[in-house]
Amino acid sequence: EPEVTQTPSHQVTQMGQEVILRCVPISNHLYFYWYRQILGQKVEFLVSFYNNEISEKSEIFDDQFSVERPDGSNFTLKIRSTKLEDSAMYFCASRNGTRANEQFFGPGTRLTVL
Amino acid sequence: AQKVTQAQTEISVVEKEDVTLDCVYETRDTTYYLFWYKQPPSGELVFLIRRNSFDEQNEISGRYSWNFQKSTSSFNFTITASQVVDSAVYFCALSCPEGGNEKLTFGTGTRLTIIP
Repeated sequence: EPEVTQTPSHQVTQMGQEVILRCVPISNHLYFYWYRQILGQKVEFLVSFYNNEISEKSEIFDDQFSVERPDGSNFTLKIRSTKLEDSAMYFCASRNGTRANEQFFGPGTRLTVL
Repeated sequence: AQKVTQAQTEISVVEKEDVTLDCVYETRDTTYYLFWYKQPPSGELVFLIRRNSFDEQNEISGRYSWNFQKSTSSFNFTITASQVVDSAVYFCALSCPEGGNEKLTFGTGTRLTIIP
């Protein structure tokens, strides 16, 4: 069964460094998402991406964040200058174009900012 | 704006007992979708069920059942004859199709512990 994959599974970085989190969505899906879960808290929407552009972003998704679909398969989240409070699990998800179909989530990348 | 409330932060039950996880949602949209996800200790998010706002039929899948009541804006989840493998954090979520984005709004989750 097709699945969403994410790399790396765990990333440790120093405050102020740039990180890129990578996702490979399911191949025929059209909508892509990033969510964040700070340890012990709820899952929060960051950004959605459709037709090669951001379709919606949350207040969390400030100028330090960017997303890209550099080729036909990868979907990346870049944090330009990491802060301690960016430490969280980051989930990528994808959905096909059918209304209300569930989002398939990747296993997540745990980001630790020191 | 959408909101999902899971008032139960943690629940512990002894194995084989039944347990119900509550979910209350808020939205102004007339068309919306409700979901339950399971997050086991390994951390991934596992999809359990999706319901749309026009279908209030309750659903049963093995030991799992869901009770959707529009009148009370609730979408509760019951596990019968609980097992240790059911121990996880369970999230209720809501999405609305307006604009086509269908982002998920999650509740704060209920941590369920099944005691052997």
